[in-house]
Amino acid sequence: QKEVEQNSGPLSVPEGAIASLNCTYSDRGSQSFFWYRQYSGKSPELIMFIYSNGDKEDGRFTAQLNKASQYVSLLIRDSQPSDSATYLCAVRLSGNTPLVFGKGTRLSVIA
Amino acid sequence: DAGVIQSPRHEVTEMGQEVTLRCKPISGHDYLFWYRQTMMRGLELLIYFNNNVPIDDSGMPEDRFSAKMPNASFSTLKIQPSEPRDSAVYFCASSLHTPGGTEAFFGQGTRLTVV
Repeated sequence: QKEVEQNSGPLSVPEGAIASLNCTYSDRGSQSFFWYRQYSGKSPELIMFIYSNGDKEDGRFTAQLNKASQYVSLLIRDSQPSDSATYLCAVRLSGNTPLVFGKGTRLSVIA
Repeated sequence: DAGVIQSPRHEVTEMGQEVTLRCKPISGHDYLFWYRQTMMRGLELLIYFNNNVPIDDSGMPEDRFSAKMPNASFSTLKIQPSEPRDSAVYFCASSLHTPGGTEAFFGQGTRLTVV
């Protein structure tokens, strides 16, 4: 069974700090990795994706992938209260398969 | 494009009643997914379609659940009869196939409450 594991949180960080969100996955053949942000009462929205080992940066967000350790993370620099949300890690085995989601980590940025 | 459109946004129904949830995917997208989200189980895939054909319905919890996609612009998820444990937020999502895969775009969801 394909599993994606995340710490449910809440993860609390002060404004301006770096928030680090982590995700592990069970299927070693997984090829694509996504981070979605979900505000309370809203739908998930994509913020980052990564396919290759290493880091990928987009503004204040950095996704990190280590396929050998089956680990993907999301770093949020200069955290803002508006970043407070649940962050969902999603994994795809191949281009034709649907995303498998973790249960999400709730992030709270304290002003 | 207006994105993935779901209706209704909220549904309250009595146990035993039939419930129909509707979804219009993004135009041109060839994959459509139905997910259910609860606090306990997170976001679970129920069923997905490719070019209107159901590909995998192994996530459908029981025979009370059924889904159809009669054309590329419309899909329904039906629960008959509904039960209180079906209360959840149901999301429809669509995506466009590429060799590397793309993200799924989600609708706003239908919050279903069965009393």
